[in-house]
Amino acid sequence: QQQVKQSPQSLIVQKGGISIINCAYENTAFDYFPWYQQFPGKGPALLIAIRPDVSEKKEGRFTISFNKSAKQFSLHIMDSQPGDSATYFCAASGTGAQKLVFGQGTRLTINP
Amino acid sequence: DGGITQSPKYLFRKEGQNVTLSCEQNLNHDAMYWYRQDPGQGLRLIYYSQIVNDFQKGDIAEGYSVSREKKESFPLTVTSAQKNPTAFYLCASSQGAGQRYEQYFGPGTRLTVT
Repeated sequence: QQQVKQSPQSLIVQKGGISIINCAYENTAFDYFPWYQQFPGKGPALLIAIRPDVSEKKEGRFTISFNKSAKQFSLHIMDSQPGDSATYFCAASGTGAQKLVFGQGTRLTINP
Repeated sequence: DGGITQSPKYLFRKEGQNVTLSCEQNLNHDAMYWYRQDPGQGLRLIYYSQIVNDFQKGDIAEGYSVSREKKESFPLTVTSAQKNPTAFYLCASSQGAGQRYEQYFGPGTRLTVT
């Protein structure tokens, strides 16, 4: 119940295309869903986060879509650029929880 | 220049030896965390600390130990009891514990045990 399942494990997208990464969870107590971006040899950095009171959150080219009934959320990267090539992690936590539960990660490659 | 420092970047040890990974932050954050990253498994929490002189086990604490004697420092010891210690280790900190506070990560230490 504490797991967050992320797919796909790897993704190749052409420059200018839309990258889509999906995550699913079981624990209905989760109410905070951040996405982290990690470049090779670096630590992850917070990219964007959403709470279940909204179905979508957009920041620049990055959008989180959230489906509470399906217990799924996804990251969309519009107009994908080679500089977006990185590993992306979804995560989740519940109110009062002291820790985040991370998905398995998606290695995204944007071909020029 | 504020941030989280982890040293060294690469660490090599022989099997059976304990090894300590350093994590220092100058962000004045109360909470600190240690994660282990393995390919295809995401980030798994080893230990976390909300305040000085207090820490809690995460999901995979067996074979690891920590201390939190100073607010800015949270060293992780990988003991010889850890069955598969080769991994990428990430330290993080946040202003407080809980989801309201963003976790900031250090650059990581890659440990190889042979």
